[in-house]
Amino acid sequence: GAVVSQHPSWVICKSGTSVKIECRSLDFQATTMFWYRQFPKQSLMLMATSNEGSKATYEQGVEKDKFLINHASLTLSTLTVTSAHPEDSSFYICSARDPAGIETQYFGPGTRLLVL
Amino acid sequence: QKEVEQDPGPLSVPEGAIVSLNCTYSNSAFQYFMWYRQYSRKGPELLMYTYSSGNKEDGRFTAQVDKSSKYISLFIRDSQPSDSATYLCAMRVNDYKLSFGAGTTVTVRA
Repeated sequence: GAVVSQHPSWVICKSGTSVKIECRSLDFQATTMFWYRQFPKQSLMLMATSNEGSKATYEQGVEKDKFLINHASLTLSTLTVTSAHPEDSSFYICSARDPAGIETQYFGPGTRLLVL
Repeated sequence: QKEVEQDPGPLSVPEGAIVSLNCTYSNSAFQYFMWYRQYSRKGPELLMYTYSSGNKEDGRFTAQVDKSSKYISLFIRDSQPSDSATYLCAMRVNDYKLSFGAGTTVTVRA
């Protein structure tokens, strides 16, 4: 149980384009999902917390207009990187909280974004 | 000072050795403590979950929490090459935001 998927697993795009990443909880309903960013050999940096049906809460220093988060259902959250630039290249990981389980976060496999 | 401190290593041990990992933290309000394992280019996988102080054992893994010292540990017995990964400690208060350590990279040599 407690499986989280992400799509796509990797994406290469040109500078200036927008990229959408999907995060799905496959076998549970996630009222809360989280989006992280991870640079090589560094730990996870929380970008935002999204609750189903409400606006996401962004961490300090994260641009809301740059990283659009939508949590439209209990099993799906999306992160859209708008007008991506090379400095946005990173490993993006989502996680979901299973309120029926031990109430910790279960992580997706991550999406590697490369902006040329 | 970071809220959670973890030595990034790297740590290299021979197969069969005991791997000892630890984290210290500064926020005494942390109540829930976790260890995640992350293989290269993959998402973190939950290994151990502990509430408050004490020990927890699961197969070859033992997690210890000492809240009085603000210190948590993970021990891996009879380590295998498949245990080679980055191990992240994480902790939280009563909300659901996790604070992560930097991660320790472990290599188990066959």
